[in-house]
Amino acid sequence: DGGITQSPKYLFRKEGQNVTLSCEQNLNHDAMYWYRQDPGQGLRLIYYSQIVNDFQKGDIAEGYSVSREKKESFPLTVTSAQKNPTAFYLCASAWGDTNTGELFFGEGSRLTVL
Amino acid sequence: EDKVVQSPLSLVVHEGDTVTLNCSYEVTNFRSLLWYKQEKKAPTFLFMLTSSGIEKKSGRLSSILDKKELSSILNITATQTGDSAIYLCAVEAFSSGDKLTFGTGTRLAVRP
Repeated sequence: DGGITQSPKYLFRKEGQNVTLSCEQNLNHDAMYWYRQDPGQGLRLIYYSQIVNDFQKGDIAEGYSVSREKKESFPLTVTSAQKNPTAFYLCASAWGDTNTGELFFGEGSRLTVL
Repeated sequence: EDKVVQSPLSLVVHEGDTVTLNCSYEVTNFRSLLWYKQEKKAPTFLFMLTSSGIEKKSGRLSSILDKKELSSILNITATQTGDSAIYLCAVEAFSSGDKLTFGTGTRLAVRP
């Protein structure tokens, strides 16, 4: 079955630690995205990548980093510089062509900083 | 900066009621507007509306795009408890490079 897989589903972190959230897709999509969801704020774009070895900052990139070494994978690192990292993180992918903006989402990763 | 506003923020109805969710946007070079349903974790796609497709319907759900008013509505008739979810509206612009801008969402609760 084709899909997009995020791990871990739940993660606890101490202040000052970096954590990496995994996102893998086997849909052969070119574009991949990371969103953060907080109560009452909808989805906010952190980083996105339209092609391997290239990525762009979204609206709230500070304190985060990404890589896109393979088409299937787009891991997100939440660094200690992110001041309020507790949130629900959603990864998504899309064909990235000019015909559709439809995103396919993973099940999300909930990060809690203790 | 692109902006998407949804209303109401939350809504409680009883089974069988009809609901209308609203989405308004400010986007330069509008391309499409999308509706998603988020029940627990992963949002799932409902509709995409464009200049060439301003009305979509699927079962009890329908959506209309008003290009003049820069807004869209999502209607759900004969609501069921399974319709309880957060409904997200997102907009894409031609200049956005495949990015979607999301609204805050409307949380719908359908009581038995």
